[in-house]
Amino acid sequence: RKEVEQDPGPFNVPEGATVAFNCTYSNSASQSFFWYRQDCRKEPKLLMSVYSSGNEDGRFTAQLNRASQYISLLIRDSKLSDSATYLCAVNFNNAGNMLTFGGGTRLMVKP
Amino acid sequence: DAGVIQSPRHEVTEMGQEVTLRCKPISGHDYLFWYRQTMMRGLELLIYFNNNVPIDDSGMPEDRFSAKMPNASFSTLKIQPSEPRDSAVYFCASSPGTNPFFGPGTRLTVL
Repeated sequence: RKEVEQDPGPFNVPEGATVAFNCTYSNSASQSFFWYRQDCRKEPKLLMSVYSSGNEDGRFTAQLNRASQYISLLIRDSKLSDSATYLCAVNFNNAGNMLTFGGGTRLMVKP
Repeated sequence: DAGVIQSPRHEVTEMGQEVTLRCKPISGHDYLFWYRQTMMRGLELLIYFNNNVPIDDSGMPEDRFSAKMPNASFSTLKIQPSEPRDSAVYFCASSPGTNPFFGPGTRLTVL
């Protein structure tokens, strides 16, 4: 079993739709959590951190469920420019944020 | 401000040749990571440094891979001899102790 798992997708959604991704992690002692966005043939870039109480940044909402060991990302009113691969990342030991990444979920927003 | 700088951006080489990938982290960042990304295995951590000292190299696939960080502004990842299965995108990332910032990557093709 992988330490961090994601549904690879692709998720094909129309503009304006709401879409949600989940990411499960295996280590219950995990310290910190992030969502990264990766465009085709580009490097991953931080989208948002995930806080225990949940957090929102514009159209994006991240949530953490420690009991069930998953994090989620909700995108509201999706735009064409949201099309990308979304990677979740987990820090298992708080060592300088040495992150373990999921395989990524590909999102395609259609007109 | 300059981000993480990697060179070369693309490398095509023949099996058995030595390959050296270079990275200049963001100034002031104490942590440096080398990741490898492939379609099959996703984004994998190979090794990371803290204050120029290698901390965890458990992700280095085998002895053909070596990494150095002679000073705070430069790191190399060397593959000798290279094999076709080493073909991947190699990312360097740096961090001040929070989430890592990725460089643009080196796309390596070993024929």
